[in-house]
Amino acid sequence: DTAVSQTPKYLVTQMGNDKSIKCEQNLGHDTMYWYKQDSKKFLKIMFSYNNKELIINETVPNRFSPKSPDKAHLNLHINSLELGDSAVYFCASSHAGELFFGEGSRLTVL
Amino acid sequence: GIQVEQSPPDLILQEGANSTLRCNFSDSVNNLQWFHQNPWGQLINLFYIPSGTKQNGRLSATTVATERYSLLYISSSQTTDSGVYFCAVGPAGYSTLTFGKGTMLLVSP
Repeated sequence: DTAVSQTPKYLVTQMGNDKSIKCEQNLGHDTMYWYKQDSKKFLKIMFSYNNKELIINETVPNRFSPKSPDKAHLNLHINSLELGDSAVYFCASSHAGELFFGEGSRLTVL
Repeated sequence: GIQVEQSPPDLILQEGANSTLRCNFSDSVNNLQWFHQNPWGQLINLFYIPSGTKQNGRLSATTVATERYSLLYISSSQTTDSGVYFCAVGPAGYSTLTFGKGTMLLVSP
């Protein structure tokens, strides 16, 4: 069983569209995250949720909106997609600080 | 914020060789992890090692928190070790990890 799973794995879309990426973890962790990995492989935190509450919101355009319906799920919705949003988005969860990543969702905006 | 520097940025090895990757950080941390991103893009958790030494097969890691560095040792490297190795650090609790830029490793047969 996959511990942290994301869907879809690949997403190709046009500028201006709205898209969502879903994430689920079955590890029983309280904290979940979204990270963005750019074309130079740099990983940067976007959001962090603890027990469905937003605890960290880095400098991210407000076109990005996370939603956590329960502590096992953290979804990412992106409005009005731009070329610069093309990246790999990783969901992660943690317990006592130890981080576990999903497989990533590669978003390409044309 | 905390600065994380990894060295070397790139490394090419012949299969069977040993290597040491280094991670320096600028402030006290209570959390340090090493990850391997394989050529398929998966980020694999190697070690959770805020201090001390751990070993897992051919890999081992040592963190000297008081001197603000961590080392990842790869012995008898294999082609499947290729990929990018990331060090990530942070304080304990809910704060997030700050990642280094990674060391890209290529192991050739």
